[in-house]
Amino acid sequence: DAGVIQSPRHEVTEMGQEVTLRCKPISGHNSLFWYRQTMMRGLELLIYFNNNVPIDDSGMPEDRFSAKMPNASFSTLKIQPSEPRDSAVYFCATSLRGMNTEAFFGQGTRLTVV
Amino acid sequence: GNSVTQMEGPVTLSEEAFLTINCTYTATGYPSLFWYVQYPGEGLQLLLKATKADDKGSNKGFEATYRKETTSFHLEKGSVQVSDSAVYFCARGSNDYKLSFGAGTTVTVRA
Repeated sequence: DAGVIQSPRHEVTEMGQEVTLRCKPISGHNSLFWYRQTMMRGLELLIYFNNNVPIDDSGMPEDRFSAKMPNASFSTLKIQPSEPRDSAVYFCATSLRGMNTEAFFGQGTRLTVV
Repeated sequence: GNSVTQMEGPVTLSEEAFLTINCTYTATGYPSLFWYVQYPGEGLQLLLKATKADDKGSNKGFEATYRKETTSFHLEKGSVQVSDSAVYFCARGSNDYKLSFGAGTTVTVRA
């Protein structure tokens, strides 16, 4: 398996524009997590899905952020409109649901909003 | 508050030095514990894990032992290399299947 695949790897956009980040989980994994990493706040869990259903979105910072998982092989994180303070590295991670299983991370998308 | 607390960095060492990064956690019950490593420009990857008390996880010369009496999972390596320069994250599992991460510790090993 190629692992968790995120696209794009880098995104530079202007303030106010819509940004869509994409994630393809490892085949067979039924839990998917979106994280945001910044120097100031470290690694933050934004939302996670189980069997394509959002379970906990309490980490989503504002209504400008939304996430979907239309099927088991694809998820998106959308920011509309984007702001400079959204600049961060966004990671997608997936796992087989269970307390003893680790999460596998993608390479991340580095977002810069200017 | 944060359920995982790890030693603040940055940590700078010479090659072949001993490395230890402290990690303590709060939890009810006995969650699984993990150490992840993040190399520059990459995502996090699992370094080692332990699923029950007194378990020792080990990988690439790194070790950590699950200590329930001190609620700790300290990471150690006896002789570090330049290639060990990375950010290390301690993490804890939970009943709702989420991982709680520590703040991360940046380690730099000098030749």
